[in-house]
Amino acid sequence: AQSVTQLDSHVSVSEGTPVLLRCNYSSSYSPSLFWYVQHPNKGLQLLLKYTSAATLVKGINGFEAEFKKSETSFHLTKPSAHMSDAAEYFCVVSVWTGNTPLVFGKGTRLSVIA
Amino acid sequence: EAGVVQSPRYKIIEKKQPVAFWCNPISGHNTLYWYRQNLGQGPELLIRYENEEAVDDSQLPKDRFSAERLKGVDSTLKIQPAELGDSAVYLCASSSAANYGYTFGSGTRLTVV
Repeated sequence: AQSVTQLDSHVSVSEGTPVLLRCNYSSSYSPSLFWYVQHPNKGLQLLLKYTSAATLVKGINGFEAEFKKSETSFHLTKPSAHMSDAAEYFCVVSVWTGNTPLVFGKGTRLSVIA
Repeated sequence: EAGVVQSPRYKIIEKKQPVAFWCNPISGHNTLYWYRQNLGQGPELLIRYENEEAVDDSQLPKDRFSAERLKGVDSTLKIQPAELGDSAVYLCASSSAANYGYTFGSGTRLTVV
């Protein structure tokens, strides 16, 4: 079975400062890991994904995440927050076979203060 | 390429009434998923289809929920009768073994009053 734990339900940062959203995962097999973003009343958008290639994954809008097997972590970072980054972020785990469901964390709400 | 299309976008119904949601996945995606997202929570899987076969419906409340995917393309999720606790966003997604990709639709926001 797979599961993810997002360690913070809410993170607040000032515009221009770094963003860190923390995620730990549990998986019986080699996992595929994803970060999705959801803006208010919008659909889910894929930020980035790890699928057993490079452990440092770069995504859209300047976000990146590092897969650390020894720590079972997949934290999301961005060097400088922008007001438009304010949204709900979901860490997601799967065991990729092409048809395995995604298992979502409970989400982290990111607030960006001007 | 068109994305996953869901309709309606919003639905408000009275409790005990039936409701249905429709999903058209990406062409060629054999696997289709229905998720439910409660307010302030992450999406949770309701049912997964491989072509027209429901291969994982363990989380589907079968007393009131039903789903079908005739011909292995479009899918419909139905609730009858709806309860207040069914208010949520219902998301459809599809995937293909050909690439590492899941694509989500915009969802249907259901409000039961």
